Amino acid sequence: GAGVSQSPSNKVTEKGKDVELRCDPISGHTALYWYRQSLGQGLEFLIYFQGNSAPDKSGLPSDRFSAERTGGSVSTLTIQRTQQEDSAVYLCASSLGTSGRWGEQFFGPGTRLTVL
Amino acid sequence: EDKVVQSPLSLVVHEGDTVTLNCSYEVTNFRSLLWYKQEKKAPTFLFMLTSSGIEKKSGRLSSILDKKELFSILNITATQTGDSAVYLCAGLIQGAQKLVFGQGTRLTINP
Repeated sequence: GAGVSQSPSNKVTEKGKDVELRCDPISGHTALYWYRQSLGQGLEFLIYFQGNSAPDKSGLPSDRFSAERTGGSVSTLTIQRTQQEDSAVYLCASSLGTSGRWGEQFFGPGTRLTVL
Repeated sequence: EDKVVQSPLSLVVHEGDTVTLNCSYEVTNFRSLLWYKQEKKAPTFLFMLTSSGIEKKSGRLSSILDKKELFSILNITATQTGDSAVYLCAGLIQGAQKLVFGQGTRLTINP
């Protein structure tokens, strides 16, 4: 079946512009996560959605970052007034969101964001 | 602050060698320890370990968790060039259901 998809795969933008990154989770997965991976680093948690519950936004680095998930499926991560330090690969993951399966997160291919 | 530390950061071996990758963690409300393989962009799931001392095995890969010492290892025997990747370890936080990742071990298998 189809895995997690993300678009665009690459995005180059100028400092100060806004960007939107999109994630399509695996059908039927109720949990959706956004992570950021800077060059040579591990993954940094950004935000987590589970069903209709309020999202866990504890990892968002600043108020320039926001995310929404419409209809419990597709999610968009928005970065306003981008800065050079926002350059990274942004990874989305989804999971079944059921007890015992939280950790089995399936990742998309990521969006490589470059802020000039 | 929750922390996951992996060692070594980089490892280069010859095909056929056996390698051991290390992961130590300090995670409040720890639930499970996970291993992922990242070849290009998308990490792929390898193992989830919740109970201490029980080895999980998949082909040439195996992993075990020590919840007393807050430690896990990932073993790869008879390595192949296709095993070259970054191996990521992560702690799953109970309740918050989020993963805290280590910085990864870059494994290179030379023919």
